[in-house]
Amino acid sequence: QKEVEQDPGPLSVPEGAIVSLNCTYSNSAFQYFMWYRQYSRKGPELLMYTYSSGNKEDGRFTAQVDKSSKYISLFIRDSQPSDSATYLCAMKDAGNNRKLIWGLGTSLAVNP
Amino acid sequence: KAGVTQTPRYLIKTRGQQVTLSCSPISGHRSVSWYQQTPGQGLQFLFEYFSETQRNKGNFPGRFSGRQFSNSRSEMNVSTLELGDSALYLCASRSGEDGYTFGSGTRLTVV
Repeated sequence: QKEVEQDPGPLSVPEGAIVSLNCTYSNSAFQYFMWYRQYSRKGPELLMYTYSSGNKEDGRFTAQVDKSSKYISLFIRDSQPSDSATYLCAMKDAGNNRKLIWGLGTSLAVNP
Repeated sequence: KAGVTQTPRYLIKTRGQQVTLSCSPISGHRSVSWYQQTPGQGLQFLFEYFSETQRNKGNFPGRFSGRQFSNSRSEMNVSTLELGDSALYLCASRSGEDGYTFGSGTRLTVV
């Protein structure tokens, strides 16, 4: 079993829809949680960075962390065709081992 | 402010050859990490350097090595290339505990 599980999709939604992307994890030591967006032929771009449980909002994006369930989510409101990309979750613990553990990514297509 | 720059963008090599990839981090960032990305395995951590010292290493064979220079620029080397080394190699830099900023990667194809 992988440390971080993420449904690869693909996910296809109409423009304007609310998108929900999720990751589950098994390591209770993870404390930092990130969402990255990766366009084709580009490197991942940091979207959201959260520490501890709760919600964090940035424009149309909301990141949610539920440590008790070991579950994180990214919500995209009013989705746009420009949101079409692969979304990757990543997380790490607070110890000296700072390497990020990644989900495989979910491919999202927003159709006009 | 310039981002993370990786060169070259694309590379085709033959099995058995070696390759060196380069990464210039964001100015002021002293930490550089390298990742291998493949469709089946996703992003896998190779190593992290800080102030010219390797601080962390992933589970890759010794054919994969890296180094960091005093100006924080980093290189990674893969010797005796295998077909399975074909991947997108990504470099990321960061400052403190902030999130990582990635370059666009080097697409390596081994034939």
